[in-house]
Formats: sequence, C-alpha cells, structure tokens
Amino acid sequence: AQKITQTQPGMFVQEKEAVTLDCTYDTSDPSYGLFWYKQPSSGEMIFLIYQGSYDQQNATEGRYSLNFQKARKSANLVISASQLGDSAMYFCAMRVPDDCGSRLTFGEGTQLTVNP
Amino acid sequence: NAGVTQTPKFQVLKTGQSMTLQCAQDMNHEYMSWYRQDPGMGLRLIHYSVGAGITDQGEVPNGYNVSRSTTEDFPLRLLSAAPSQTSVYFCASSCSLGGQRDEQFFGPGTRLTVL
Repeated sequence: AQKITQTQPGMFVQEKEAVTLDCTYDTSDPSYGLFWYKQPSSGEMIFLIYQGSYDQQNATEGRYSLNFQKARKSANLVISASQLGDSAMYFCAMRVPDDCGSRLTFGEGTQLTVNP
Repeated sequence: NAGVTQTPKFQVLKTGQSMTLQCAQDMNHEYMSWYRQDPGMGLRLIHYSVGAGITDQGEVPNGYNVSRSTTEDFPLRLLSAAPSQTSVYFCASSCSLGGQRDEQFFGPGTRLTVL
C-alpha cells in the first residue's frame, strides 16, 4: 500500500524567507509520481509542482522547488522568498505507478502561515 | 475552457435523503475521480473512472454510487445521507490524448452538511 506522511501540521515563516515543507512517502513500486497542491482559505486545490520517480533533476516551478531524495523517500517542497499570499494548506500526493490514470494518495497537509 | 465544474456549491440534507453531486469537465480527460475532505484528514478517494463506462471504488466508497455514461460527466450519488457524510467533496480529472501536463485538475468543491 502507498502512504504519504506530512509530519508538520503547521509551519510559520517570515515574509521573504524560504520555507521547507516536509513530505515522506512509502511505496515499493519503482514508478511513481509526486505532487504538491496548495489549498488557500477559499478552498480550491491548486497544482504547484510534479516530480517523477525517474526524473534525474529536482523539479522547479518559479518560486517552488521539490527537494527529491529518493533513497530517503522524501519529496520536500521548498518555497523561496515567501509571500503573504503563500499562506495556505499544502498537500503532498503520490500516484503509483506514475501514469495519469493512477489514483492519487494525499497526505494530511501542512498549514503554512506567512507573517509580515 | 471552464475546466472542472461542480454543482451545487453548498447543500444541506436531512438524514436519509438522497442527492446527486454533479461534476463535468470540458478538457476531454479520460480519468475522473471524487474525493472527500474532512478536517485534518487530507483528501480521500471515493470513486474513480478511467473512461466512459468504467468505474471503480476508492478508499471510502460506502454510501456512494457513481456512473460514467459520457467522457464529460461523472455524477456522485448519495443513496441515503448520513451525518458522517458531512464533508467537502471535490471532483478531479486528468489524462487527455496529446496533453502535455497530466496533473489532476480539481473542481471548486461542494460543501455538504447532513443534519
């Protein structure tokens, strides 16, 4: 069975600083995809970044980067230069195998608060 | 494109009532799914479909039915509502032929309260 663990229920960061949100995963399948979604207080789910298990380089999307450490089974999200608008719930998710028809398994989320 | 649309946005039901949550997408996606989100529990998969005429159960299917008669629509039926089904429901879709990105696109959610 696949499992995603987010151990930080809440995180605080000062505006303009970087923050790392932790995510560890568990699967024995060599093919998997890892995702991060943002959910602001308005409730919608916003896709941020994707990392495939066979990707050689860490994924980056603007201020978001994914610190992918395969041996440690971790896929931490790094947000650089935090903004007040980054305050939201963040979910890590995994699909196994890494096929767009595979089911997504979500972690329980981390609530990020950016302080001015 | 409207993306993934869900109706209604809010709904209050009494215990034992039935209703259908509507979901539609206009991106020609093959894969559609329903999740529920409860406080502190992330999103849990209820049912999913990999194409018209094909559905399967997710992690928490009890009390819900789905059907997929067209590529565009994937309604979720609550057969006999219970207070434990009070939640926020999200529909999502992904996978289109020739698509360059295949993350799941989510609808805006339906907030359901069962009294």
